Amino acid sequence: GIQVEQSPPDLILQEGANSTLRCNFSDSVNNLQWFHQNPWGQLINLFYIPSGTKQNGRLSATTVATERYSLLYISSSQTTDSGVYFCAVEGFGNEKLTFGTGTRLTIIP
Amino acid sequence: DAGVIQSPRHEVTEMGQEVTLRCKPISGHNSLFWYRQTMMRGLELLIYFNNNVPIDDSGMPEDRFSAKMPNASFSTLKIQPSEPRDSAVYFCASSGTVGGPQHFGDGTRLSIL
Repeated sequence: GIQVEQSPPDLILQEGANSTLRCNFSDSVNNLQWFHQNPWGQLINLFYIPSGTKQNGRLSATTVATERYSLLYISSSQTTDSGVYFCAVEGFGNEKLTFGTGTRLTIIP
Repeated sequence: DAGVIQSPRHEVTEMGQEVTLRCKPISGHNSLFWYRQTMMRGLELLIYFNNNVPIDDSGMPEDRFSAKMPNASFSTLKIQPSEPRDSAVYFCASSGTVGGPQHFGDGTRLSIL
């Protein structure tokens, strides 16, 4: 199956800093999604981004499918951005998402 | 609009008991997914349905696990008999299109003593 690697595994930043989270995948994918799991355990879909660039407020994502990676950018981070960010990919021919192991982001006031 | 609704939020039960987890997908969504999250294995897909039909159950760990979707607005995941190693957070998600964005419920935290 497809392998999904995320880096860095942990990131601690001061409030207001910017960050870049990376997701590498081992094969061609039909779609890629980014999720945020907040400290209460809720999984929120941030982006559905099989290719190209999308922006939503302080967050943006870019997927370069031909090079098998995606980046999630968080600008002017706030304490509410803390949590674990997951990248998940779907291979061709099915709807099964394979999740990476996540990046744990901690924003310090 | 209501999101994916799961119940119960928490379940604590003794080993050997039957456990039933419930999920109501977002209205109009035709794909439904059951996931399990543990520290050791992360997020794993157990089974998914499309138009109420099970499409892939290869992630179901063993015969003690079963899932049904009797109609478009309800699904259950059953564990019988339960074991301590089944302790995990179980998530249900739904999607409006094949391969589209998945939206998750708040999960059921299951503890088997």
